[in-house]
Amino acid sequence: DAGITQSPRHKVTETGTPVTLRCHQTENHRYMYWYRQDPGHGLRLIHYSYGVKDTDKGEVSDGYSVSRSKTEDFLLTLESATSSQTSVYFCAISDRRGEKLFFGSGTQLSVL
Amino acid sequence: AQRVTQPEKLLSVFKGAPVELKCNYSYSGSPELFWYVQYSRQRLQLLLRHISRESIKGFTADLNKGETSFHLKKPFAQEEDSAMYYCALLPGNQGGKLIFGQGTELSVKP
Repeated sequence: DAGITQSPRHKVTETGTPVTLRCHQTENHRYMYWYRQDPGHGLRLIHYSYGVKDTDKGEVSDGYSVSRSKTEDFLLTLESATSSQTSVYFCAISDRRGEKLFFGSGTQLSVL
Repeated sequence: AQRVTQPEKLLSVFKGAPVELKCNYSYSGSPELFWYVQYSRQRLQLLLRHISRESIKGFTADLNKGETSFHLKKPFAQEEDSAMYYCALLPGNQGGKLIFGQGTELSVKP
């Protein structure tokens, strides 16, 4: 497995609270991604990064923000969590413009 | 808009039977297409990509631009093929945005 870790692995939080998920890589890959996985919707891209401080929105970016201040870390923040953001969140990395993504183990987030 | 559609949520077959997981895409440019697989308790991983024209674990997929399809096929399914399969599209003009379909769960029964 590529050196990619997500933290926390599980989190339960309340509606309206801020939440930050962390993705850390040791592969020095340029591209990093955040996806959410929901039944019936598959994997949907939230945000991705193509370099330090270079990010772009995906198809479901509303309610989420990201930051990438160094190559190895990509943070996903839910400014004010809602129940609709209950999901499994996956981070992925790639060294060649999305040609082969390596995925983390996922974070199960429950917003009550 | 770019889109990937996998019409089957669940596909159930018996061991030894042929398997075809359907994938259709919507993209006006020249696409790069992939199949990813997620086995139980494992990470999502790349299975194959159309540009490599390879066969992995007996699976093949052919890009049909006329039908905008990239179906995944295997002539004889095995129980260990049971997993969640995702088709993905990499548009050529949007950096590294990889767009996934809804996924198809393949269940191979003994």
